[in-house]
Amino acid sequence: DIQMTQSPSFLSASVGDRVTINCKASQNINRYLNWYQQKLGEAPKLLIYNANSLQTGIPSRFSGSGSGTDFTLTISSLQPEDVATYFCLQHNSWPYTFGAGTKLELK
Amino acid sequence: QVRLKESGPRLVQPSQTLSVTCTVSGFSVTSYHVSWVRQPPGKGLEWVGAIWKGGSTDYNSALKSRLSISRDTSKNQVFLKMNSLQTDDTGTYYCAKHLPNSGFDYWGQGVMVTVSS
Repeated sequence: DIQMTQSPSFLSASVGDRVTINCKASQNINRYLNWYQQKLGEAPKLLIYNANSLQTGIPSRFSGSGSGTDFTLTISSLQPEDVATYFCLQHNSWPYTFGAGTKLELK
Repeated sequence: QVRLKESGPRLVQPSQTLSVTCTVSGFSVTSYHVSWVRQPPGKGLEWVGAIWKGGSTDYNSALKSRLSISRDTSKNQVFLKMNSLQTDDTGTYYCAKHLPNSGFDYWGQGVMVTVSS
């Protein structure tokens, strides 16, 4: 199975900060990586699919980059409503596997 | 509007069978694949299995011997059954709709299942 190493596990940032979260795959997954946001008690929400495609309705402050084994989710200017846990998903090969998650809080 | 909602028992005894239902709206389970994903408390997400739009299934090899995924197309529902439950099967169980060639796009809120006597 492909292992996804996500970092950091925890992140504290201020409103307006640029925030980056990383996922590293144990082998090449091309661009088959998604990013999700999950708020407490809510369903996960798709932010970015296939490494850099912004899902419809998601604010443009969210962006994704990377290919191969290294991927980044960037929030260009952190907003209070962005407080959540973020996780990545590789869908290059079965079984699909996930990063362990990054909990983002406001400083 | 696409929605998925899981329903099922909150408490199951060890060695018993878990049955969870995913009721979907806004799309047909005959047009899109649906997966089950679970998350033990404090741990990461794990893909459990999937039912393809054509009706065939695939399972996580670690769970395959205990799993069954099926559907009722007339009710637009997908079912997860897992037998011989152990305490480490405790967790939140989610169903998720596949975005063609792009992982999952919509998820349910999940149902928290505790395996305990």
